[in-house]
Amino acid sequence: AQSVTQPDIHITVSEGASLELRCNYSYGATPYLFWYVQSPGQGLQLLLKYFSGDTLVQGIKGFEAEFKRSQSSFNLRKPSVHWSDAAEYFCAVGGSITGGGNKLTFGTGTQLKVEL
Amino acid sequence: GAVVSQHPSRVICKSGTSVKIECRSLDFQATTMFWYRQFPKKSLMLMATSNEGSKATYEQGVEKDKFLINHASLTLSTLTVTSAHPEDSSFYICSAPPGDGYTFGSGTRLTVV
Repeated sequence: AQSVTQPDIHITVSEGASLELRCNYSYGATPYLFWYVQSPGQGLQLLLKYFSGDTLVQGIKGFEAEFKRSQSSFNLRKPSVHWSDAAEYFCAVGGSITGGGNKLTFGTGTQLKVEL
Repeated sequence: GAVVSQHPSRVICKSGTSVKIECRSLDFQATTMFWYRQFPKKSLMLMATSNEGSKATYEQGVEKDKFLINHASLTLSTLTVTSAHPEDSSFYICSAPPGDGYTFGSGTRLTVV
């Protein structure tokens, strides 16, 4: 069975500081990995995704994530956090999206708070 | 980019009534739609997968008769919460794979009073 672990429930950083959100996954085949961000009462916005190729992927809003197969990790990073980055962040894992897609399994989320 | 439009964004209904939530893929055809439920401060839990022209597949523990899913066309999937009760109050989100990832609707906040 596939699963995702986000060990940090809450993280607080100062504006301008660097950020790393941890994500570990369990999946029996080649994983498709995603990071989503959710503002209160809103849907999910895709930050970035990894399917194959370069293990360092760039996303929107200055975010990046690195896929490390040996560690089963897909940590999200940002060099300098902005106050507007405060939100809930979800890591997700799924299988091939061809043929109609495959269900995603989400982590429990990390709530990011940014101090001014 | 691919957009999934979800309506309504908020709904308050009386206990015992039914509520329909719609998700439309605006610029792509969605043969599959995933329906999730999100409890406060919790992650998203997959409820069911709808497929155009066939019966939906429900996850274990999800009541098929309470959460009716219909995927009538390649651009429309609906979730109907039947005989709603306060414990059905939650945030419901749909998602479709447009080809290179998953696009999510903006969610529906259901409150049953």
